[in-house]
Amino acid sequence: EDQVTQSPEALRLQEGESSSLNCSYTVSGLRGLFWYRQDPGKGPEFLFTLYSAGEEKEKERLKATLTKKESFLHITAPKPEDSATYLCAVQNYGGATNKLIFGTGTLLAVQP
Amino acid sequence: DTGVSQNPRHKITKRGQNVTFRCDPISEHNRLYWYRQTLGQGPEFLTYFQNEAQLEKSRLLSDRFSAERPKGSFSTLEIQRTEQGDSAMYLCASSQTGGDGYTFGSGTRLTVV
Repeated sequence: EDQVTQSPEALRLQEGESSSLNCSYTVSGLRGLFWYRQDPGKGPEFLFTLYSAGEEKEKERLKATLTKKESFLHITAPKPEDSATYLCAVQNYGGATNKLIFGTGTLLAVQP
Repeated sequence: DTGVSQNPRHKITKRGQNVTFRCDPISEHNRLYWYRQTLGQGPEFLTYFQNEAQLEKSRLLSDRFSAERPKGSFSTLEIQRTEQGDSAMYLCASSQTGGDGYTFGSGTRLTVV
């Protein structure tokens, strides 16, 4: 069964203190790995899709990387506005729905 | 592009009542998804439409749940005889075939009292 595990569950950083979030996955055939950001009371906001091991994508202070077993979301010099829950999800090749299987997320708090 | 719109944003209902939620996807998106999210959890897949055809339903979607997407445009999700366990955020998302990632709406938060 396809599964996504995110760690840590919660992370508190000081402004400017870089760190990484982890997403470990097992999937029958990876079509894509997705990172989303979710603010309280809102829907997830798309950040990145990674398709193959070794791929990297960047957006402002965020950089996502992918291996055959896990993905990392690196946050460089975070700011308080980066505080949110970060969700990882996988999509497999089975079926035609392109449904996403999500992890439980990492709650990031960046203090000024 | 106004994004994915969901109504209502919040719904409080008494146990046993029926509720209906609406989702208006991005106009050019042919794929529409419903997910459910409870506190501290990631979204869980409920059902998928390609145009007007409902192509997959999760085991989570009991007989009390029904979803429609008439004419391949907006979609509705109805829950009959609501139970306290139905309390959650119901998220709608849309995408285009071959597109990169979904666009989610802001969700409808259901509270069953």
